[in-house]
Order: sequence, then C-alpha cells, then structure tokens
Amino acid sequence: DAGVIQSPRHEVTEMGQEVTLRCKPISGHNSLFWYRQTMMRGLELLIYFNNNVPIDDSGMPEDRFSAKMPNASFSTLKIQPSEPRDSAVYFCASVPGQGQAFFGQGTRLTVV
Amino acid sequence: GQQLNQSPQSMFIQEGEDVSMNCTSSSIFNTWLWYKQDPGEGPVLLIALYKAGELTSNGRLTAQFGITRKDSFLNISASIPSDVGIYFCAGRKMNYGGSQGNLIFGKGTKLSVKP
Repeated sequence: DAGVIQSPRHEVTEMGQEVTLRCKPISGHNSLFWYRQTMMRGLELLIYFNNNVPIDDSGMPEDRFSAKMPNASFSTLKIQPSEPRDSAVYFCASVPGQGQAFFGQGTRLTVV
Repeated sequence: GQQLNQSPQSMFIQEGEDVSMNCTSSSIFNTWLWYKQDPGEGPVLLIALYKAGELTSNGRLTAQFGITRKDSFLNISASIPSDVGIYFCAGRKMNYGGSQGNLIFGKGTKLSVKP
C-alpha cells in the first residue's frame, strides 16, 4: 500500500484565493483526520470522519474552512477565502478500526 | 477543550544518554500512542498502547500506559544522533456507542543529541 497520499505537497497562494487540499487514505481504514501544525500551536485536530461521516468538526477554526469526504477513498479540506494566518502544514491521517493513525506527508500551505 | 500536557518541551542531551518524556491529562484515554516526526515529514508511529498498565518496547524505546489511564511515558535508552526529532504523545477515547473518538496530540518534545 502506498500509505496516505496528500496533494499538493506545497501550495503558495495569495490572500483571498480558494485553496483545496486533498487526501487519499489507506484502503480499508474507516476513520480520517485532518490536522493543522504550526510552531505556536503544535498539531491541532480540525475535523475527523468515521465511515465518511463527519463526527467532530469543533476544531475547524472558522466558516472559511470546510471538509468533505464523498467516499471512503477521498477527502478534501477547503479554505475560502484564504488568509496569511492559515499558513501551516496540514496533515491528513487515516486510522483502521482501532488504534494508530497513519499520517500523510502533509501539505505546506503559504498564504501571502 | 481536551488537552495533553507533554514534557519536557525540549531536551539537549549527549549521545549515549537515556531520555525520558511523558504526557499527562485530566481525561481518561483508552489508547496512548507515541510518534516521532522528522523535518518535512508526517509523524510516524513508534509505539501503541491499548491497556492500562501496559509496558511495551520497540528496540531502544519503551513506553507505558499509566494505571490511571491519564498518563503515559516514553523512554529512549542509549540515544544516538538519529534519535533527533520531535516526539509526540497522542491519546484517544471511546465515544458513547463504542466508536473511536478523536485523537488528541501533545505539543511535542524536541530532542537534540550531541555526538
């Protein structure tokens, strides 16, 4: 298995633009998590899905952030409009029924 | 919100020394996980703990799930330069109804090893 695949690896965009981050979880895993990592705040949970259904989105900072999981093999995290303070590394992680999370390599987002 | 208190925040040690770090919480968890993150990469699982009191080793690494289920520690024996990185603890609860809850991370311990 190729592991969790995130794209793009790097994204530089201008303030106000829409940004879409993509994640392909490991086949057969039934939970998917989106995290944001910054120096100041560490790894923050944004939202997680169980069996494609959003369970807890209390970590999503604002209405500018939205996440979808239309099927078991794909999820997106969208920021519209983006702001400089959204600059961070965004990680997707997938989890089998019980236990450890497997992380993707992350998307480094820079909003200028 | 839920928090994990991880300490120390950073460590600067000599090669060959042993390392100890821990995580505590006011909440009870049913899973404790320890990860290592190298620069530019995602966290990679080191050890997973599923039962209170469980002590698990992975090479030079040993981790324990605290009896109270509110804490865990990670030890690294005889550190080497490639142990450098950021180590994260993570805890997971069970939701009502039995499904797995969210996975909460500590802020990390940055380890530096001097040859």
